[in-house]
Amino acid sequence: DIQMTQSPSSLSASVGDTVTITCRASQSISSYLNWYQQKPGKAPKLLIYAASSLQSGVPSRFSGSGSGTDFTLTISSLQPEDFATYYCQQSYSTPGTFGQGTKLEIK
Amino acid sequence: EVQLVQSGAEVKKPGESLKISCKGSGYSFTSYWIGWVRQMPGKGLEWMGIIYPGDSDTRYSPSFQGQVTISADKSINTAYLQWSSLKASDTAMYYCARLPCGGDCYSQERYFDYWGQGTLVTVSS
Repeated sequence: DIQMTQSPSSLSASVGDTVTITCRASQSISSYLNWYQQKPGKAPKLLIYAASSLQSGVPSRFSGSGSGTDFTLTISSLQPEDFATYYCQQSYSTPGTFGQGTKLEIK
Repeated sequence: EVQLVQSGAEVKKPGESLKISCKGSGYSFTSYWIGWVRQMPGKGLEWMGIIYPGDSDTRYSPSFQGQVTISADKSINTAYLQWSSLKASDTAMYYCARLPCGGDCYSQERYFDYWGQGTLVTVSS
């Protein structure tokens, strides 16, 4: 299985900040990397697919980049509703492994 | 509107069997892969397996192969996840989720675009 490692595991930030979450794959996955947001007690929600494509309905303050083994999710001008846990997932091969998650908390 | 509606919470004893369900609506159920994802209490997401209801082609994660069975009944637009003998370590939230592709699903499409609300399974003696 391909291993996905996110950093940091947790992050504190303030409303209006810009934050970046990193995801690293154990081997090259081209651009087959997806990002999800999960709020407590809720199902995950797709934010970004294929490394940089914004899912319909997702605010443009969310952006993704990267290819090969290193990827980033950037959230610009943090809003109160953005405080959640974020997961990356590779879709290069089966099983489509997830990262361990990054919890974004309010400072 | 695409919707995946999962069956309700379950409380079971070790050794019991269980089958939970995920009913799709608002799209052609037989034309898109559906997957299952586990989330143990306080932990991250784990990809369990996927099924193509059109022909019941199924792929499992090696971690879950032999531990669970994924199936689908296309006549009622429903996918299932089942256990023959539950363990305490199966206690978790289980989500079904749709992939936006069918048949030959290419890597750039193998993400989950719609999710069910989750089914909490508790296994305790």
